[in-house]
Amino acid sequence: EAAVTQSPRSKVAVTGGKVTLSCHQTNNHDYMYWYRQDTGHGLRLIHYSYVADSTEKGDIPDGYKASRPSQENFSLILELASLSQTAVYFCASSDGNSQNTLYFGAGTRLSVL
Amino acid sequence: DAKTTQPDSMESTEGETVHLPCSHATISGNEYIYWYRQVPLQGPEYVTHGLQQNTTNSMAFLAIASDRKSSTLILTHVSLRDAAVYHCILTGANTGKLTFGHGTILRVHP
Repeated sequence: EAAVTQSPRSKVAVTGGKVTLSCHQTNNHDYMYWYRQDTGHGLRLIHYSYVADSTEKGDIPDGYKASRPSQENFSLILELASLSQTAVYFCASSDGNSQNTLYFGAGTRLSVL
Repeated sequence: DAKTTQPDSMESTEGETVHLPCSHATISGNEYIYWYRQVPLQGPEYVTHGLQQNTTNSMAFLAIASDRKSSTLILTHVSLRDAAVYHCILTGANTGKLTFGHGTILRVHP
């Protein structure tokens, strides 16, 4: 049974619209992350969180907000979606003792038109 | 974090042993070597990691050169399920902030 679940699995959004991507983990991990992957490229870190109610900026945070209302849930919010945000988004979690061992979800494929 | 160099692609046949190389000539003393793999339409999957000593688990054997400037991920008895992009990643900080490159595409033939 998947321990990191993302929803939706795919979404089509209009330019300028608001998009919320959700992530739920049952690993009991404190750390959660949002990465994006563009076709043919590696993953890049957008936002991450060490604890509920707190988020940190990753390497490419512009245009994105994050929300961590509980240990299990971590959302990525695109307030004004743009064409350049078309990508696959991956959520991941890790525990405090081995933060670099990440457990990823299956991804959300976002197309902004 | 230091940079890694991997071949773009490698080919293998089911049942063979595959050696996936990774070069990291500028690795720092505190940097760990992590390997992840990713199949299409799925998120990356942790494979293994090491600092200085060779390591082994159910998925792979990681051989680290004595000078730590290179490492090799060894997959034994590969199956079609092992076909994936394999990423070699260096990280010195225990932060979960990983930098993924292009990796090596491993193709496995029946």
